[in-house]
Amino acid sequence: DAGVTQSPTHLIKTRGQHVTLRCSPISGHKSVSWYQQVLGQGPQFIFQYYEKEERGRGNFPDRFSARQFPNYSSELNVNALLLGDSALYLCASSLIGGRGETQYFGPGTRLLVL
Amino acid sequence: AQKITQTQPGMFVQEKEAVTLDCTYDTSDQSYGLFWYKQPSSGEMIFLIYQGSYDEQNATEGRYSLNFQKARKSANLVISASQLGDSAMYFCAMSPDQTGANNLFFGTGTRLTVIP
Repeated sequence: DAGVTQSPTHLIKTRGQHVTLRCSPISGHKSVSWYQQVLGQGPQFIFQYYEKEERGRGNFPDRFSARQFPNYSSELNVNALLLGDSALYLCASSLIGGRGETQYFGPGTRLLVL
Repeated sequence: AQKITQTQPGMFVQEKEAVTLDCTYDTSDQSYGLFWYKQPSSGEMIFLIYQGSYDEQNATEGRYSLNFQKARKSANLVISASQLGDSAMYFCAMSPDQTGANNLFFGTGTRLTVIP
């Protein structure tokens, strides 16, 4: 069975631009979460979506937004990119996104903002 | 507020030996989950092991075991019979007892290097 897939794998943008990252969860998983991992740090929670509804949001500015589609895939959008947005963006999926449920991560998208 | 602390930035272990990676946590919740993930240089976070706060037995998964000491709020990962492929970053994470979101709080990680 295919794991979580993310696209693109790498991305280079300039300050002020907009970026869209994509994620496909494991087949049968209905919950998708997004994390940002800055170099040298652990991942930080950005969003969780379940059945197309936002279930949780971390401490990130409104420049960050996301959505989930009927097929449970998800997009993360970041507007007005800053240098500090350079990071590895990880997507994770779980069955129903229940509390304590194991999340399975994709390979991530490496974003570099110049 | 939830917090995960990993005090070992780097650890070295001889191949075939056992190693313990430390993790302490802080939470006021009674119910929570503790996870360990492995992150190779490729970047993908690989789930290793899970311990629920009400689980009386320490979790084990193959060569991985979790030494859970609830009173001390520690959840150390023990890797037995280390292999060269175990060289990676290891992250401890906690899922707090909150309705709704299943968000993980991660520590800063420990880089494990296995020496031949």
